[in-house]
Amino acid sequence: KNEVEQSPQNLTAQEGEFITINCSYSVGISALHWLQQHPGGGIVSLFMLSSGKKKHGRLIATINIQEKHSSLHITASHPRDSAVYICAVQPNTGNQFYFGTGTSLTVIP
Amino acid sequence: DTAVSQTPKYLVTQMGNDKSIKCEQNLGHDTMYWYKQDSKKFLKIMFSYNNKELIINETVPNRFSPKSPDKAHLNLHINSLELGDSAVYFCASRRAGQGLYEQYFGPGTRLTVT
Repeated sequence: KNEVEQSPQNLTAQEGEFITINCSYSVGISALHWLQQHPGGGIVSLFMLSSGKKKHGRLIATINIQEKHSSLHITASHPRDSAVYICAVQPNTGNQFYFGTGTSLTVIP
Repeated sequence: DTAVSQTPKYLVTQMGNDKSIKCEQNLGHDTMYWYKQDSKKFLKIMFSYNNKELIINETVPNRFSPKSPDKAHLNLHINSLELGDSAVYFCASRRAGQGLYEQYFGPGTRLTVT
């Protein structure tokens, strides 16, 4: 069983829709990261969270440490948001990261 | 300026060959990583390394070995390549410790073993 579970695995949305991607984890963590990977592209870090909520433009990330759950929201989605979104957690000890299997998002014009 | 660079970007080779992928970071980070991303886009850690400690994922075959000539470089050597080694390999780096430190990824190296 993977330490990090993401849902949904695949998501197709119409341009303008509000999108939510969920991440649940089973280990104690010091931080949670949301990463974005465009098709054929590299991986970039969108957010690092240890508590509460962060917002960058149309992207919002929340985390509930007690429930071991995080969500990534995209408001007013756009075709350029089409990418794989990956949740990663940093356990309390060590330099390891555990990754979710990713959510492949396609936003249709 | 590229923060984390990898070479080559593409590598096509035959089974049984030995190859290396280079990684360099100019961020002054203490910790570097190698990840393997399979065809389903699942990222799996292979190694994490800071200038004092190498942690190897026990599932990684010993045909894979990291080599760090200095703090800014972590190269990946692969011996006796197999078809199943075909994947995209990402190098990454971050500051050491449990703080809220972002991880920076290289552009990836797509390895194809024929």
